[in-house]
Amino acid sequence: QSALTQPPSASGSPGQSVTISCTGTSSDVGGYDFVSWYQQHPGKVPKLMIYEVNKWSSGVPDRFSGSKSGNTASLTVSGLQAEDEADYYCSSYAGSNTYVFGTGTKVTVL
Amino acid sequence: QLQLQESGPGLVKPSETLSLTCTVSGDSISGPNYFWGWIRQPPGKGLEWIGNVFYTGDTYYNPSLKSRVTISVDTSKTQFSLRLSSVTAADTAVYYCARLRRFADYVQYWGQGTLVTVSS
Repeated sequence: QSALTQPPSASGSPGQSVTISCTGTSSDVGGYDFVSWYQQHPGKVPKLMIYEVNKWSSGVPDRFSGSKSGNTASLTVSGLQAEDEADYYCSSYAGSNTYVFGTGTKVTVL
Repeated sequence: QLQLQESGPGLVKPSETLSLTCTVSGDSISGPNYFWGWIRQPPGKGLEWIGNVFYTGDTYYNPSLKSRVTISVDTSKTQFSLRLSSVTAADTAVYYCARLRRFADYVQYWGQGTLVTVSS
């Protein structure tokens, strides 16, 4: 069970969009529609943003959207705002009641 | 509102066993729709799922940690616990307890996290 692969960093100017990829295998991302995304500000607890690939957690703005194609899931943040600067982690169900997280992506708002 | 609170030593010696407990308040620990889990984050690094326990006591572990991990649940105390044996400096991390939503498979609630340092 290897960590899902995410780019270490992504950036965009306020108002722009940024997309973060999360690549796994057919045993995790590709095999189940149970991909979730978490936002973590420095020193804070991770916060659920998206679950089941593209469903919004309560209170999450629709500027955040999720998708999946094959073994790769993606999180898109549209209309970037300063408060979106944070680390983002994907997670996937990996079968037999096990889970795997992504390596994490630091999003910088320029 | 569900609350999760980790407790346990903040310093563990190498080769010893790390033990943490998570106390659940605000909801039953015996619901059929949830797993109770442990997730860790080494300083400056990413999240790692350690394992889950169901209220029946059924457990599921990260294969890379399985030989060293034991997770248990005490429904009478609304607590679940983590034991990680033979620790090394690589086990230094913030340890979070969490509630995971079954059948949708996401972390619904997180504890505040507790830093455990492995050092002599």
